[in-house]
Amino acid sequence: QQQVKQSPQSLIVQKGGISIINCAYENTAFDYFPWYQQFPGKGPALLIAIRPDVSEKKEGRFTISFNKSAKQFSLHIMDSQPGDSATYFCAAKPLQGSGGSNYKLTFGKGTLLTVNP
Amino acid sequence: EPEVTQTPSHQVTQMGQEVILRCVPISNHLYFYWYRQILGQKVEFLVSFYNNEISEKSEIFDDQFSVERPDGSNFTLKIRSTKLEDSAMYFCASSVGRGTDTQYFGPGTRLTVL
Repeated sequence: QQQVKQSPQSLIVQKGGISIINCAYENTAFDYFPWYQQFPGKGPALLIAIRPDVSEKKEGRFTISFNKSAKQFSLHIMDSQPGDSATYFCAAKPLQGSGGSNYKLTFGKGTLLTVNP
Repeated sequence: EPEVTQTPSHQVTQMGQEVILRCVPISNHLYFYWYRQILGQKVEFLVSFYNNEISEKSEIFDDQFSVERPDGSNFTLKIRSTKLEDSAMYFCASSVGRGTDTQYFGPGTRLTVL
């Protein structure tokens, strides 16, 4: 119930195309859904995040779509660029919980995105 | 821009040896975390630390692991007797608060246990 399932494992997109990465969760206590971007040799860096009170959040070329009833959320990268090539992780966290359970992020397995020039 | 730093970048050790992984969180952050990522697998939470005590730990964080904030800037993860399966990338993270406050990750320490 604590898992976050992420797909696909890897994705190849042409420059200018749309990259879509999907995540699903089971724990209804999850209340905060960030996406992290990781370049080789670096730690994960927050890209964009959403709370379930909205169905979509857009920041530049990056959009999160959220479907609370289906317990699914996805990252869309519009006009994908070679510089977007990285590993993307979805994550989830409760914001309210007993015993301090709102500290840890639960990550998906990651998606390796390659954007070809 | 402030960032989380970690040392060393790569540590090689023999099975059964003790290792200490070091982190310097962002200076005004109050919450500190360790995560690990076994090669090819997802990032997993180990422990969170606030106000000089563990606030949450995972089932991975057993008696072999300990954390400490020995001074006002460093945050360390100690593995007392390393096992082969401890080989992983260990990430330190910090945040101002919890909730929606961003957890900022360091570049990681790659631990190789031989």
